[in-house]
Amino acid sequence: QKEVEQDPGPLSVPEGAIVSLNCTYSNSAFQYFMWYRQYSRKGPELLMYTYSSGNKEDGRFTAQVDKSSKYISLFIRDSQPSDSATYLCAILTGGGNKLTFGTGTQLKVEL
Amino acid sequence: SAVISQKPSRDICQRGTSLTIQCQVDSQVTMMFWYRQQPGQSLTLIATANQGSEATYESGFVIDKFPISRPNLTFSTLTVSNMSPEDSSIYLCSALTSNSYEQYFGPGTRLTVT
Repeated sequence: QKEVEQDPGPLSVPEGAIVSLNCTYSNSAFQYFMWYRQYSRKGPELLMYTYSSGNKEDGRFTAQVDKSSKYISLFIRDSQPSDSATYLCAILTGGGNKLTFGTGTQLKVEL
Repeated sequence: SAVISQKPSRDICQRGTSLTIQCQVDSQVTMMFWYRQQPGQSLTLIATANQGSEATYESGFVIDKFPISRPNLTFSTLTVSNMSPEDSSIYLCSALTSNSYEQYFGPGTRLTVT
């Protein structure tokens, strides 16, 4: 079993839709939860991160963590074609520096 | 945040040769890392580049194949040695800023081995 599982998609939604991207993890030692966005032929770009259960909002993006279920989500409101990219969840153990990545979900927002 | 550049952005190499990839950060950072991203797969950590000492390699990666240098706080190199087609991948450099868990990535080096 992989430490971090993520549905690879592809996920196709119409412009303006609410997008839900999800990851599950198996290691209870994981404490910091990141979401990266990667456009084609570019490096990953850090969108946001959180370390506690609950929600964290940044503009149209909301990161949600449920540590009891080992489940993390990224919601994108009012999705735009410019949101079309691969979204990677990444998790960090407490006190460590090693990021464990999910495989990424490819998102396409269509006009 | 940190802005990271990599050279070259892409290269096509013959098997048996070596390629050195450079990574430059625009500010001093505490830690630098090298990742590999194979087609359709996620990022896999190769090693942590330690300033002034030998890199720390992850399971499955060895120094003879992927020698790494980090002569100062803003620069690192990764060499892919004795390349084979299986080394065709994107190689990414990342850096961790001080007092933060935010890890930033360079644009990647796309390597094709023929």
